[in-house]
Amino acid sequence: AQSVAQPEDQVNVAEGNPLTVKCTYSVSGNPYLFWYVQYPNRGLQFLLKYITGDNLVKGSYGFEAEFNKSQTSFHLKKPSALVSDSALYFCAVRDSTGGYNKLIFGAGTRLAVHP
Amino acid sequence: NAGVTQTPKFQVLKTGQSMTLQCAQDMNHEYMSWYRQDPGMGLRLIHYSVGAGITDQGEVPNGYNVSRSTTEDFPLRLLSAAPSQTSVYFCASSPTGANVLTFGAGSRLTVL
Repeated sequence: AQSVAQPEDQVNVAEGNPLTVKCTYSVSGNPYLFWYVQYPNRGLQFLLKYITGDNLVKGSYGFEAEFNKSQTSFHLKKPSALVSDSALYFCAVRDSTGGYNKLIFGAGTRLAVHP
Repeated sequence: NAGVTQTPKFQVLKTGQSMTLQCAQDMNHEYMSWYRQDPGMGLRLIHYSVGAGITDQGEVPNGYNVSRSTTEDFPLRLLSAAPSQTSVYFCASSPTGANVLTFGAGSRLTVL
């Protein structure tokens, strides 16, 4: 079965420190991977995606993600966290059985950046 | 450019009542979908549509109906509301093949 796992419910980071939000996936075939962010009382916003090519993907707001095929991981990273990065982060993979734009989401990781 | 617009933002229903959550997009996107968001479970796909007149079921379709009479609109109908349908509902759209979804702001539904 295809799935996405975000092993941490919450990640706490001090402002200015690097942050990592973890994601692992299970999918048949080549994965299409995504990160979305949700601020309070808002819809999800697209951050970045990996389809093919360079394993390090750069996205919005200074975020990047590293695709690791052998570890089936797609961790989200940022070199220096901001308090304004505090939000709920979702990893997603395209459902390869259904085609089109069906995405399977992880449970989400709440990022808290402390001053 | 309004993007994806959902109404209402909040709704309280009694068990057994029916209602429709509205979703409209002005980006001429072929693909539209409905997700529900529950704590600790992420987003789960309810129904989706790849174009006017075409709909299909997602992961959790029971208790919900959809239709797609126009490219712009994709309403979600709750036929007989149950407390288990208390959730936050998100509509999302994208051009076919582009993979990146644009989400609405969400509709918070409480069923008593």
